[in-house]
Amino acid sequence: EIVLTQSPATLSLSPGERATLSCRASQSISGYLAWYQQKPGQAPRLLIYDASNRATGIPARFSGSGSGTDFTLTISSLDPEDFAVYYCQQRSNWPPITFGQGTRLEIK
Amino acid sequence: EVQLVESGGVVVQPGGSLRLSCAASGFIFDDYTMHWVRQAPGRGLEWVSLISWDGGSTYYADSVKGRFSISRDKSKKSLYLQMNNLRTEDTALYYCAKDMAMRYFDFWGRGTLVTVSS
Repeated sequence: EIVLTQSPATLSLSPGERATLSCRASQSISGYLAWYQQKPGQAPRLLIYDASNRATGIPARFSGSGSGTDFTLTISSLDPEDFAVYYCQQRSNWPPITFGQGTRLEIK
Repeated sequence: EVQLVESGGVVVQPGGSLRLSCAASGFIFDDYTMHWVRQAPGRGLEWVSLISWDGGSTYYADSVKGRFSISRDKSKKSLYLQMNNLRTEDTALYYCAKDMAMRYFDFWGRGTLVTVSS
């Protein structure tokens, strides 16, 4: 099973700042990684797939990068609506499909 | 507009059984693999099971293998999860999710809550 480790667990930033979230895989997953955003009381929303492709309707301030075992989600300038929990997910070696444990992005 | 609406979540005793349903609309249901993903209270996401577009292939997380069974009905455009021998650790919000044909989840329902407790 591929384990995804996200860091940091919590990130405290202010609106307008740049956010950098990390996801590390226990073995190479090529570029088969997605990022999701989840707000309280809501279902997750797909942001990025295959490491760097934005999903439909996702603002350009969200970008993804990485390959192999190290991946990054960057939010170039935080909007107040971006404060949420972010999960990475791999589809390289399944079953099982696995998620990271999440990074909570909170307002500083 | 894609819609996924889960139902069937209740409070059930350990060892009990339950069937969850997910009604799909707004897309060609027969064309897509579908998934169940769960989230324990205050915890992260855990993939549970998937079923291929034609129902011919199914896969399960080790934590539910042998106890849960996924199925689909194309005439009703519905996805199901039969849950047997439930454990307290199965307590979670269960989401139905559509596969975007790449083993990523592009649409999710709002979830249905299953509580396993005596």
